[in-house]
Amino acid sequence: GAGVSQSPSNKVTEKGKDVELRCDPISGHTALYWYRQSLGQGLEFLIYFQGNSAPDKSGLPSDRFSAERTGGSVSTLTIQRTQQEDSAVYLCASSPDRGQPEAFFGQGTRLTVV
Amino acid sequence: QKEVEQDPGPLSVPEGAIVSLNCTYSNSAFQYFMWYRQYSRKGPELLMYTYSSGNKEDGRFTAQVDKSSKYISLFIRDSQPSDSATYLCAMSALTGGGNKLTFGTGTQLKVEL
Repeated sequence: GAGVSQSPSNKVTEKGKDVELRCDPISGHTALYWYRQSLGQGLEFLIYFQGNSAPDKSGLPSDRFSAERTGGSVSTLTIQRTQQEDSAVYLCASSPDRGQPEAFFGQGTRLTVV
Repeated sequence: QKEVEQDPGPLSVPEGAIVSLNCTYSNSAFQYFMWYRQYSRKGPELLMYTYSSGNKEDGRFTAQVDKSSKYISLFIRDSQPSDSATYLCAMSALTGGGNKLTFGTGTQLKVEL
């Protein structure tokens, strides 16, 4: 596709439920990032994938958060047992490779936990 | 203290004004400095990036980096109502861990007719 695609664009879930957020990066981009944007906060790094290397999970806020990237392309961010503080916009970005500073963002998934 | 500080605004200017947006940072390892524009309910859009110190110009936009002061700026000339958005500065050290970006909280800009 022309840009980074994320789905769903909006998700409302009940506290305690699990959610899956999907990211389809720009074709050919080997680097993929997940960020979280909370109200009044800047974007917060969550996790980084580069090719077949082990992901950098240093930004994941708790063990309820996990992510995978299948076939070096599509990525899924999973939040288990959602809490109200997980409500935020989850943004995915991709870069051509690890040596490229440009990161291109998707539209984000707006998650609301009620 | 946050690694990147940015005045949240809001900043309101008349059409045609020169806008100055700024960020300060504390991590001397940062090498790449970026500016993103984010419209309401949209993802951030990369405007421009600079490497190390210096200036970079792209149309009505000029980015400046002063590493000695740990201070970066984005200038918008002849501002237009379509420039109304939140502007995010972002920085990275671009290490073996990839381009992990550290963002400011964003400055909300409104350009009024």
